[in-house]
Amino acid sequence: DVKVTQSSRYLVKRTGEKVFLECVQDMDHENMFWYRQDPGLGLRLIYFSYDVKMKEKGDIPEGYSVSREKKERFSLILESASTNQTSMYLCASSSWGDPNTEAFFGQGTRLTVV
Amino acid sequence: QKEVEQDPGPLSVPEGAIVSLNCTYSNSAFQYFMWYRQYSRKGPELLMYTYSSGNKEDGRFTAQVDKSSKYISLFIRDSQPSDSATYLCAIRGGIGANSKLTFGKGITLSVRP
Repeated sequence: DVKVTQSSRYLVKRTGEKVFLECVQDMDHENMFWYRQDPGLGLRLIYFSYDVKMKEKGDIPEGYSVSREKKERFSLILESASTNQTSMYLCASSSWGDPNTEAFFGQGTRLTVV
Repeated sequence: QKEVEQDPGPLSVPEGAIVSLNCTYSNSAFQYFMWYRQYSRKGPELLMYTYSSGNKEDGRFTAQVDKSSKYISLFIRDSQPSDSATYLCAIRGGIGANSKLTFGKGITLSVRP
């Protein structure tokens, strides 16, 4: 019954490292999203993609990039990790043309940058 | 003005209470309204979904949308300790490339036995 899988539940990285967060969905959804969740700030959209090789900036794209080479996989890249990127990262997917389908979320990756 | 505003929390109620959770939104173009529930250390999962104005009921949960006042609500009847979680309202603009979800900040509900 697995739908959206994030590669790691917990990650600890050093400042300045390049960090890859991977997300895979098995529902053939066109849309995929990356959010970060912080106490008091809620879920904030970093990037989303509505098709392979397509990407759109969300509300807080600075310091991040994404890659969508295959429909089922959406990667979030922290080019040079900083301590203010310590957060819970959530990936989600949804269908492009059917408004009745929900967005499914992964379990989240708790990233700590030291 | 933020696109989605959600009542701040946390909220603590006794078991059996009726709970009312509320959000307001600013863009009248929004069409799809959702409530997500998130348990500790888990990803959010869809609880209720409505399109346009009106009510939708599912067991002890009722979602209500008032597009004229740009107000959405979630009511929980006979609340249970298992309802203790963070509740997030979410709004979707449309379909296709306009289908990103915008979330409220979430409110943490605690139901005391």
